[in-house]
Amino acid sequence: ETGVTQTPRHLVMGMTNKKSLKCEQHLGHNAMYWYKQSAKKPLELMFVYNFKEQTENNSVPSRFSPECPNSSHLFLHLHTLQPEDSALYLCASSQGTGGAGGYNEQFFGPGTRLTVL
Amino acid sequence: AQSVTQLGSHVSVSEGALVLLRCNYSSSVPPYLFWYVQYPNQGLQLLLKYTLAATLVKGINGFEAEFKKSETSFHLTKPSAHMSDAAEYFCAVRKNSGGSNYKLTFGKGTLLTVNP
Repeated sequence: ETGVTQTPRHLVMGMTNKKSLKCEQHLGHNAMYWYKQSAKKPLELMFVYNFKEQTENNSVPSRFSPECPNSSHLFLHLHTLQPEDSALYLCASSQGTGGAGGYNEQFFGPGTRLTVL
Repeated sequence: AQSVTQLGSHVSVSEGALVLLRCNYSSSVPPYLFWYVQYPNQGLQLLLKYTLAATLVKGINGFEAEFKKSETSFHLTKPSAHMSDAAEYFCAVRKNSGGSNYKLTFGKGTLLTVNP
C-alpha cells in the first residue's frame, strides 16, 4: 500500500448504529487530519493530530469521536449520527503541522462515502 | 484570516479548448496557494502549488496557474482540454508561516465538464 488509504470506501448506517472509519498513511508522516466534504460546501476540517496528540477539534459534535493510536493510523468512531452527517469523509496526512515550506503539505486519501439513514 | 472564492461552480468546455478556472483569495499575509483535483469517488490530488517563489506555476497533467498579487488571483489554466480532465477542482489557501499555518481554507469547487 502506498500513500493514504481509507476503509471502508462506502458505509451505510442507521442513526442508532455504531461504526468506525479507518485511515492509514504509509508516508512516514506525523500529522493526520479528518475532513468532511458535503455537497455544495467547502471542505471542513474536523480534527488534527500531531504525533498522536489531538491539536485541533473544530467544534465537531461529540457523536464523532477520533482516535489516533500511532502516527500511522487514525480512526473516526461514529455513533447516533444524523442524516445531515451523510458526506464524504476524507483523511489526510502531512509531515507535521509547524514550520514553513512544504513541511505541512497534506496528502489525501480516497475518502469514505457515508450515508446515514 | 484567509478565504477563497471560486467563480463558477460549473464550467463546460469542448475537448481541445482552453480551460480557465478562476480563483480569488483573501489573505492578511503572503499566502501559499494550491489547486487540487478530485475525480469521481476519489480523494483530492494536488495539481500545483504556489509557495512564494515563481509566480507562474506548472503542475501535473499540463495545468498551470499564475499568482497575481495585484488581482489577488490564482487562476488555473490548460491550453487544450482532454476528456480525462473532467473532474472537480478546488482552490485552497493557507498561511506561509506562523501559528496554525497548516490549515487549508478551500473554495467550494468548480466542476469541469469536457464535451467531445
